Amino acid sequence: GIQVEQSPPDLILQEGANSTLRCNFSDSVNNLQWFHQNPWGQLINLFYIPSGTKQNGRLSATTVATERYSLLYISSSQTTDSGVYFCAVEGGRETSGSRLTFGEGTQLTVNP
Amino acid sequence: KAGVTQTPRYLIKTRGQQVTLSCSPISGHRSVSWYQQTPGQGLQFLFEYFSETQRNKGNFPGRFSGRQFSNSRSEMNVSTLELGDSALYLCASSFRQGNVVGSQYFGPGTRLLVL
Repeated sequence: GIQVEQSPPDLILQEGANSTLRCNFSDSVNNLQWFHQNPWGQLINLFYIPSGTKQNGRLSATTVATERYSLLYISSSQTTDSGVYFCAVEGGRETSGSRLTFGEGTQLTVNP
Repeated sequence: KAGVTQTPRYLIKTRGQQVTLSCSPISGHRSVSWYQQTPGQGLQFLFEYFSETQRNKGNFPGRFSGRQFSNSRSEMNVSTLELGDSALYLCASSFRQGNVVGSQYFGPGTRLLVL
């Protein structure tokens, strides 16, 4: 099946700093989503971005499908941005539409 | 629009028992997928239901099963619980048309502890 690698695994920032999270995937994708998992475990949708660039406030994402990677940018980070960020993809040869494969996540800590 | 809801939020069971978890999707979404999250294995796909039919299945033993009702609500059942079944179980709903599935939206999860 499709493989997903996220980097870095851990990231510690001071409030106000910018950061870039990366997601590499091993095959063509029909779906790519970025999520933020809050301390209570809920996965919050950030972007649905199988290709192209999107922005939502201080967050933006870019997926270069031909080169099989996606980037999540966080600008002017705040303590509330802390948590785990997941990239999840659906695609490859066994595509079925619904089966998301998740990376291992990036644990982001923003210190005041 | 109300989000995805899951009940119960927390469960404690003992080995050998069975458990049923419930998920109500976003109104208008007919595809419901289930995922298991553990510290060791991360987030793994269990199965998807659409129009009351299982459309896709992950690599889990037959002890894990599910169903979907005509109102798109879904339940998953785990029989003969093992300690390793302790996990956060997440449900996601999405729009589906043929093989095209939209963005998946997750519920708050059910934390299951097996003693």
